[in-house]
Amino acid sequence: DSGVTQTPKHLITATGQRVTLRCSPRSGDLSVYWYQQSLDQGLQFLIQYYNGEERAKGNILERFSAQQFPDLHSELNLSSLELGDSALYFCASSDSRLAGGSSSYEQYFGPGTRLTVT
Amino acid sequence: GQNIDQPTEMTATEGAIVQINCTYQTSGFNGLFWYQQHAGEAPTFLSYNVLDGLEEKGRFSSFLSRSKGYSYLLLKELQMKDSASYLCAVPNQAGTALIFGKGTTLSVSS
Repeated sequence: DSGVTQTPKHLITATGQRVTLRCSPRSGDLSVYWYQQSLDQGLQFLIQYYNGEERAKGNILERFSAQQFPDLHSELNLSSLELGDSALYFCASSDSRLAGGSSSYEQYFGPGTRLTVT
Repeated sequence: GQNIDQPTEMTATEGAIVQINCTYQTSGFNGLFWYQQHAGEAPTFLSYNVLDGLEEKGRFSSFLSRSKGYSYLLLKELQMKDSASYLCAVPNQAGTALIFGKGTTLSVSS
């Protein structure tokens, strides 16, 4: 158990709909990362938040957005869903220490949310 | 930018040794990670290398050569439970996220 929790575990919805995925980081971790994993693309970084502020963006579509709340939990909002958005969505957390030479970039992954768009 | 290459699939038998290679191109270097991921589950951390050489951790070892942009994960005394995907990852240029390779799916048979 990594200490990162994600809800829901599974989500089935129709095209055009909007869903919200939730993540609670490990106790004490200030950074939250969202990743999408589909069969053909592997694990793709979407977005990172640090202590409530957006810090980095990866391959995140404009239809997707995220936020991190004062209690450090994060939500990923996916709208106008398409069939191709079906994937596993992982949240990860880290304490994001910037000391070089250490595993300060180590990320702890939650169990994921499996999204199926029909 | 960052680019990572790994073989897509490998097979091995129980008790054997297998080496999973990873080559990378990065703008700057802040270390290399290996993660293990069983099907449908979360990736779990295996190792982190920032200096050249071999780091051993039980049955798993990881090697890094920064001059060659090359790493490998060595798994000894393979067990059936080692059947999983092994992901090589490097921090992005800003050091704010990990960039993952597509992973190597290892199948261990008896």
